[in-house]
Amino acid sequence: DIQMTQSPSSLSASVGDRVTITCRASQSISSYLNWYQQKPGKAPKLLIYAASSLQSGVPSRLSGSGSGTDFTLTISSLQPEDFATYYCQQSYSTLPITFGQGTRLEIK
Amino acid sequence: EVQLVESGGGLVQPGRSLRLSCAASGFTFDDYAMHWVRQAPGKGLEWVSGISWNSGSIGYADSVKGRFTISRDNAKNSLFLQMNSLRAEDTALYYCAKSARADIVATLDYWGQGTLVTVSS
Repeated sequence: DIQMTQSPSSLSASVGDRVTITCRASQSISSYLNWYQQKPGKAPKLLIYAASSLQSGVPSRLSGSGSGTDFTLTISSLQPEDFATYYCQQSYSTLPITFGQGTRLEIK
Repeated sequence: EVQLVESGGGLVQPGRSLRLSCAASGFTFDDYAMHWVRQAPGKGLEWVSGISWNSGSIGYADSVKGRFTISRDNAKNSLFLQMNSLRAEDTALYYCAKSARADIVATLDYWGQGTLVTVSS
């Protein structure tokens, strides 16, 4: 199985800050990496697919990059609605689909 | 508008069975693979099972293999998860999720709101 490791596990930041969340795969997954946002009591929402493609309706202050084993999610200027938990997920060739453990982004 | 509505959750004793359903609308159901993903209270996301558009490819997490069975009825735009021999560690919110492709391994682009399964005596 492909293991996904996110860092940090939690992060405190202020509105307007630039933040970066990292996701590392245990083997190369090319660009088969997706990012999801989950707010308390809500279902996960797809933000970025194929490492860097923004899902429709997602604000451009969010961006993704990386390939192979190392990936990042960047929020250029934090807004109040961005405080949530973020998960990476690999969709490489074989099952099981695996998620990172999550990064909780909190207001400082 | 894509809608996924799960049902069938509830309180069940260890060792018993439960069948979850997911009613899909707003897209051509038989064009896409579908998945079940669960989230234990206060924990992260765990993929449970997936099924390709034509049921030709099916997969399970090791934690549920041999106990859970995924199926779909394309005529009724519905996804199912038969859960047998339930354990306390199966307690979670179970999400139905739509794949972005017909292939079973893909991005999950839409999610339902989940149905809660609690396994306890």
